Amino acid sequence: NAGVTQTPKFRVLKTGQSMTLLCAQDMNHEYMYWYRQDPGMGLRLIHYSVGEGTTAKGEVPDGYNVSRLKKQNFLLGLESAAPSQTSVYFCATRSRGIEGNTIYFGEGSWLTVV
Amino acid sequence: GQNIDQPTEMTATEGAIVQINCTYQTSGFNGLFWYQQHAGEAPTFLSYNVLDGLEEKGRFSSFLSRSKGYSYLLLKELQMKDSASYLCAVRDPGDSSYKLIFGSGTRLLVRP
Repeated sequence: NAGVTQTPKFRVLKTGQSMTLLCAQDMNHEYMYWYRQDPGMGLRLIHYSVGEGTTAKGEVPDGYNVSRLKKQNFLLGLESAAPSQTSVYFCATRSRGIEGNTIYFGEGSWLTVV
Repeated sequence: GQNIDQPTEMTATEGAIVQINCTYQTSGFNGLFWYQQHAGEAPTFLSYNVLDGLEEKGRFSSFLSRSKGYSYLLLKELQMKDSASYLCAVRDPGDSSYKLIFGSGTRLLVRP
């Protein structure tokens, strides 16, 4: 998945700790998304952004915050981690133009909250 | 509301053909996608349908009927490496975000 990089790839947090996941893309894409994936539940949209400086809530936004200060970066924050936030997190990007039918995924970030 | 349904699991034999169905009810529609996801990896794009009919791409084909809210992914000449989860996703134009709404995925096991 060249072009979309997620850091960190693995992280273990204690309940109540905070952390930030970084998604960086070098494809100059306008749209960026954060999904979480849990067993048997597919991918669920947490937050998304349609451009620099804009963010919006997705399907499961509670407990998360996001920021898109630079076009190439989309940050996902957990202010006070809970065990229910143990999941695999995927960032995705797409362009606005005709080639925007293709969505590019990062390789995922595995987060465990104990 | 948004609802996308797929079978949870399917099993097929190497060399055979398998059809994975997807039905959807969403507030908006701007195309249907199929993704393949191997365990521990990110989803990878397989197909995109926005008009009714069949799209063929090598061993994989995807069909869409918008009036029925129905799609299927057809995999021919199954190989062991096709064992993976297959995700159906509908693009909802919504507030111009064109976000993808995913089904829960179908886990396909290909046996020798």
